[in-house]
Amino acid sequence: SQQGEEDPQALSIQEGENATMNCSYKTSINNLQWYRQNSGRGLVHLILIRSNEREKHSGRLRVTLDTSKKSSSLLITASRAADTASYFCAGTGANSKLTFGKGITLSVRP
Amino acid sequence: ETGVTQSPTHLIKTRGQQVTLRCSSQSGHNTVSWYQQALGQGPQFIFQYYREEENGRGNFPPRFSGLQFPNYSSELNVNALELDDSALYLCASRLQGLGTEAFFGQGTRLTVV
Repeated sequence: SQQGEEDPQALSIQEGENATMNCSYKTSINNLQWYRQNSGRGLVHLILIRSNEREKHSGRLRVTLDTSKKSSSLLITASRAADTASYFCAGTGANSKLTFGKGITLSVRP
Repeated sequence: ETGVTQSPTHLIKTRGQQVTLRCSSQSGHNTVSWYQQALGQGPQFIFQYYREEENGRGNFPPRFSGLQFPNYSSELNVNALELDDSALYLCASRLQGLGTEAFFGQGTRLTVV
């Protein structure tokens, strides 16, 4: 069963705009990872944030984590058409098992 | 490129048959996990191997089994295939320990007819 939920389920923005995606999870986690998936292919690792971190940056990506609310957000700044993909958050729990949500479909219009 | 390779990329099998999927870990990684991703869903954890032993399993029946070899590569075996087994099967490798990133291969698309 899916224990994480991303919000919104679909997002359509214009190239150059920022995209914000949210994720909530139900159980305690050691860290949270965000992934991108293009057209049903493999998952590309974007960023990992540890449970004792509140914010992390990597290039155009900014991730926040609020363990009290069991939520995370992914911000992609200055979006590009190539950012069009599905985005997943995954909490890492016991045995480092990843628990994924259903994903967010991001469409960036040129 | 993550360095995690899976084979084959696509596979069509008949209901009731058996299938073996393969995964080569990224160099230096000692832990391999397998995930099943149905269309329109997020990946679901099948099981994980560390030092050739299963050390975690999701809610999948025993007909899903696996192996990890001394070189840390891995196999996923599915017996008595059912139509609902049609999915993208993803392999992820990482270093054992908390806070380590998991890197995925491109997946094997299995279709059961």
